[in-house]
Amino acid sequence: KAGVTQTPRYLIKTRGQQVTLSCSPISGHRSVSWYQQTPGQGLQFLFEYFSETQRNKGNFPGRFSGRQFSNSRSEMNVSTLELGDSALYLCASSLAGRQAGEQYFGPGTRLTVT
Amino acid sequence: AQSVTQPDIHITVSEGASLELRCNYSYGATPYLFWYVQSPGQGLQLLLKYFSGDTLVQGIKGFEAEFKRSQSSFNLRKPSVHWSDAAEYFCAVAPSGGYNKLIFGAGTRLAVHP
Repeated sequence: KAGVTQTPRYLIKTRGQQVTLSCSPISGHRSVSWYQQTPGQGLQFLFEYFSETQRNKGNFPGRFSGRQFSNSRSEMNVSTLELGDSALYLCASSLAGRQAGEQYFGPGTRLTVT
Repeated sequence: AQSVTQPDIHITVSEGASLELRCNYSYGATPYLFWYVQSPGQGLQLLLKYFSGDTLVQGIKGFEAEFKRSQSSFNLRKPSVHWSDAAEYFCAVAPSGGYNKLIFGAGTRLAVHP
């Protein structure tokens, strides 16, 4: 079974631009979560989608948004990029419904904002 | 608020030596507990998890962890470390009822000397 895939793997953007990252979960997984990883703040939860609905959100500004499609693929969008948005963005998928379950992570998208 | 503490930022061990990585969590009830490993430039791989039941859990790659409610700890152990175990290790908690939101510790970077 194929793992979680994320595209693109690397991205360079300029301050003020917007960016869209994509995540394809493991087949059959309906939950997709997004995390930001930086050297200073570590791994931080952004949001989780389950059956096309956002059911959990972390403490990030509204510039960070996401969505999930009927095939469970998910995208996250960051508008008006800031230098501090440079990070590794990780996507994870899970079979779990209401309770937490095992999450399987993709390789991440490395975003650099200049 | 829930939190996870990994007291050791860096640990160096010799190949063949035993290993223990510490993790303490702050949470009112028993959370779901996880250990993940991250190799450079890679996503996170689940090593093991604790949901309930036997407090000693076995994972992949010869790792085990013990949940101690009285100490709010979930320490990771391996009896004999291999050079390929060099990586960063993250402890995480998922509050019950929090769906798939993971709260991560800051991580422990493990170096293995030959």
